[in-house]
Amino acid sequence: GQNIDQPTEMTATEGAIVQINCTYQTSGFNGLFWYQQHAGEAPTFLSYNVLDGLEEKGRFSSFLSRSKGYSYLLLKELQMKDSASYLCAVSDSNYQLIWGAGTKLIIKP
Amino acid sequence: IAGITQAPTSQILAAGRRMTLRCTQDMRHNAMYWYRQDLGLGLRLIHYSNTAGTTGKGEVPDGYSVSRANTDDFPLTLASAVPSQTSVYFCASSDVGTGELFFGEGSRLTVL
Repeated sequence: GQNIDQPTEMTATEGAIVQINCTYQTSGFNGLFWYQQHAGEAPTFLSYNVLDGLEEKGRFSSFLSRSKGYSYLLLKELQMKDSASYLCAVSDSNYQLIWGAGTKLIIKP
Repeated sequence: IAGITQAPTSQILAAGRRMTLRCTQDMRHNAMYWYRQDLGLGLRLIHYSNTAGTTGKGEVPDGYSVSRANTDDFPLTLASAVPSQTSVYFCASSDVGTGELFFGEGSRLTVL
């Protein structure tokens, strides 16, 4: 079967760095996506990785290792507004997105 | 209209009633999707459409139907609502073959 695993909840301190991990087992791979979802709102696109390595976009970076079925989202200089759920999703062989349950990130002052 | 619009934003209905959730996009995306989101579970695909005139079943299609008469509109119908269909429903769109989805604000549905 297809499976995406990510931690249910994480806590970090304002100004710090946090890494949210995602492991996956899917039938085929056409890219891995990270989305941010604030409570009561719709998910919004953060990043896309299809090749191994690190993609940096401002305070956010995303890493992919296809051989390990592993990705992480790195958030630097955390701000209170970063409190949200972070969703990992993999595009399978049919280009359908398989979603993880999301990681709720709590930022403390 | 900018992006994707869903209606209603919230609805309470009695079990057995018929309900249609509306979704309209103005980005001329070919692909549209309906997801449900429940606590502790990832987004689950109900139905999708890769282009006007075609639809496909997702992971959890039972009890739901969709139509895609044109590029912009993608309504989701619950023929006879049941309590297990209580959920938050998101409509999304994208260019075909990309995973960058644009989501509507969601429709919170409660079936009693």
